[in-house]
Amino acid sequence: AQKITQTQPGMFVQEKEAVTLDCTYDTSDQSYGLFWYKQPSSGEMIFLIYQGSYDEQNATEGRYSLNFQKARKSANLVISASQLGDSAMYFCAMREDTGGFKTIFGAGTRLFVKA
Amino acid sequence: EPEVTQTPSHQVTQMGQEVILRCVPISNHLYFYWYRQILGQKVEFLVSFYNNEISEKSEIFDDQFSVERPDGSNFTLKIRSTKLEDSAMYFCASSDMGFYEQYFGPGTRLTVT
Repeated sequence: AQKITQTQPGMFVQEKEAVTLDCTYDTSDQSYGLFWYKQPSSGEMIFLIYQGSYDEQNATEGRYSLNFQKARKSANLVISASQLGDSAMYFCAMREDTGGFKTIFGAGTRLFVKA
Repeated sequence: EPEVTQTPSHQVTQMGQEVILRCVPISNHLYFYWYRQILGQKVEFLVSFYNNEISEKSEIFDDQFSVERPDGSNFTLKIRSTKLEDSAMYFCASSDMGFYEQYFGPGTRLTVT
């Protein structure tokens, strides 16, 4: 069965520094998608970045980049130049490309950015 | 920028009552989803919907749940007889195609007393 693992329940980072949030996944499918979402304390789910399983280059979106290592089944999120507003819960998710495109989520990592 | 909207933002109901949670997906999107998040826990997939029928559902989505697209804009989740354990945040999401990113609404917090 598909599975997403986020091993860091909480992370601290100094403002303006970079931080890596870990995510590993398990699937036997060849085609899948990997996502990161941000959930601030207000509760909404904000899409950050997407990586397709066939994409050869790592995805980047502004200060966010996804370090995709397919052989290791990892999809770590790198946030560069952290800002206070980055303090939030971050979820890694994987979409199955079969059937109804079900997306499963990891348990999340709570990021605290220190001034 | 287009966004997914959900109403109400907070619903309080008594155990055994029926509730309908409403969502307006992004207008040109074709795939619709419901997820739930019990407080402090991870987001769980409930159901996906395409072409006016359920594409996939999880084991959570049992007979007490149903979804409907009653018109060209709304997408609803009905819980027939609520239980205390149904208390959660319910998120609606939509995507242009199934393999594109899913955009989430702000959620409806359901409290069952």
